[in-house]
Amino acid sequence: EDQVTQSPEALRLQEGESSSLNCSYTVSGLRGLFWYRQDPGKGPEFLFTLYSAGEEKEKERLKATLTKKESFLHITAPKPEDSATYLCAVHGAAGNKLTFGGGTRVLVKP
Amino acid sequence: EAGVAQSPRYKIIEKRQSVAFWCNPISGHATLYWYQQILGQGPKLLIQFQNNGVVDDSQLPKDRFSAERLKGVDSTLKIQPAKLEDSAVYLCASSPTRYEQYFGPGTRLTVT
Repeated sequence: EDQVTQSPEALRLQEGESSSLNCSYTVSGLRGLFWYRQDPGKGPEFLFTLYSAGEEKEKERLKATLTKKESFLHITAPKPEDSATYLCAVHGAAGNKLTFGGGTRVLVKP
Repeated sequence: EAGVAQSPRYKIIEKRQSVAFWCNPISGHATLYWYQQILGQGPKLLIQFQNNGVVDDSQLPKDRFSAERLKGVDSTLKIQPAKLEDSAVYLCASSPTRYEQYFGPGTRLTVT
């Protein structure tokens, strides 16, 4: 069974203080690793898909990287509007579904 | 492009009552998903449709939950009877491919 663990559960940052979120996974045959952003009262918003180890993708202050066992979401010089819950999910070869981690709640204070 | 639409946005019911949620996916998306998200947790897949056929319902509590997708477009998820532990946000998502999913705003259900 596919498993995803995210850490830390919560992260408080000062504006401009860069940090990284971790997503550890076990999956039989990775078809894709996904990062989503979720604001309170809203559905998850798609950010990135990573398909193979060594792959990196960037969007504004966010950069996602992937190894064979984990993915990192780096937030560079965050702003208060980056405050949200960041969800990681994997799609494995055995099942035909996304398995989500519990998320990391990020709060960026001005 | 319009996103995934869901209604109602909020629902409060008493235990043992029934409730139904509606989802309209993004036009042209063949795959539709229903997820349950309990507060502080990631979404958990309940059921997946490909057009109007069920692909995966292994985590759907079939004694009380049911879902259908009419004509391969809109979908409804029903709970009957509801239990306290069903309190959660119910998310609908649709996908143009096997992997990339786009989520609606969700329906927040409170069972008292």
